[in-house]
Formats: sequence, structure tokens, C-alpha cells
Amino acid sequence: QKEVEQNSGPLSVPEGAIASLNCTYSDRGSQSFFWYRQYSGKSPELIMSIYSNGDKEDGRFTAQLNKASQYVSLLIRDSQPSDSATYLCAVNGDDKIIFGKGTRLHILP
Amino acid sequence: EPEVTQTPSHQVTQMGQEVILRCVPISNHLYFYWYRQILGQKVEFLVSFYNNEISEKSEIFDDQFSVERPDGSNFTLKIRSTKLEDSAMYFCASSDELAGAAGDTQYFGPGTRLTVL
Repeated sequence: QKEVEQNSGPLSVPEGAIASLNCTYSDRGSQSFFWYRQYSGKSPELIMSIYSNGDKEDGRFTAQLNKASQYVSLLIRDSQPSDSATYLCAVNGDDKIIFGKGTRLHILP
Repeated sequence: EPEVTQTPSHQVTQMGQEVILRCVPISNHLYFYWYRQILGQKVEFLVSFYNNEISEKSEIFDDQFSVERPDGSNFTLKIRSTKLEDSAMYFCASSDELAGAAGDTQYFGPGTRLTVL
């Protein structure tokens, strides 16, 4: 059974600080990695996708992938109250993506 | 920007009834998916669909469920004989590449909240 593990939180971060979200996955053969943001009662919204080891930056977001350690992370710089949401780590499986339970992030004004 | 749409946004049904949830994937996408999320739990894969047939399904997707692409735009999920535990958000997603290939990002619709009474 392929698994994606995340700390459920909540993770509380002061406004303007860096939020760091982490995820591990069990299938060493996984090739595609995603971070989705989900506001309460809404659908998952793609933040970042990453396919290669290293860092990928997009605005205030940086995704980091370490396939040897089976570890994916998301950094959010200059955190804003609007970043308060649940962040879902997802990894490809066979013809599907597998989600973690998500980490609740709370940005403190 | 193209987006996945779903109707209805909220469906209330009596236990034992059949429901059909509808989705319009992004127009040039070839791969279609249904996921569900029970309140407070994680997003769970139900089924993937490509070239007019199911390519993968989870253990949740039993004989109670079926999917169909009745025309060139709609993608439907039918749930027969609904049970209380079918109450959840149902999300449709689409992508233009197979999961695991570069560019395989799945874009999600806004969801249908199914309430079974």
C-alpha cells in the first residue's frame, strides 16, 4: 500500500515568517510530486509540482524534493493570513495520485 | 483559464436512491478521475478513466459505482443504492498526461457535496 505521510498540525506561523511543510512517501518509484492547498469546504488547488531532485521556486513558494530520502517539502516565504489553509502533499501512483492527510497551517496576524 | 466544472454543487438524497454526479473536464484533457473526501479525512482516489474505459479503480469503487463519458464533454459518476457512508465531497479531476509522466498535473473541479439522509 503506497502511503504519503504528513504531520496533521496545526502549524502556527507568524505573519511574514517562513512556513515549512514536510511530507514523506513510501513508494521509491514515484516520479511526480505535488503540493495542493485546500481551504475549508473547497477543492484542492495546485500550488507546485516537482519532478526532479532539488528545489523549485515559484513566487513565495519553494518545493524541495529528495528522492533518496523519499522526502518532499514546501516552504512559504513571507507568510500571509490568506495562506492559512490545509496543505496536501500528493504523489503519483498507478493512474492516480495519492494524497496525504494534509497539514493545517495557521498564519498568526 | 480553463477549469473543471461540476454539477450540482450540493446533492441531497435519501438512502437507497441513485445519484449521478456530473463533471466537465478541461477540454483538451484525456485523463479523467473521481476522488472523494469524507468530512475531516483525506482525499481518496476512486477511479481513473482514459480512452472510454476505466484504467484504474480503488477498492472503494465497487459495483455500487459506475462512470461514463456519455458525450465529448461530460464525465459522470453514478452511485446506486446510496448509503449513509457515501456522504462526502466528490471531486472530479482531469489531466493531459498519465500520472507519473511529465505534465501529469491533475486539476480539480469545485466538488459536489453529497448528503445521504
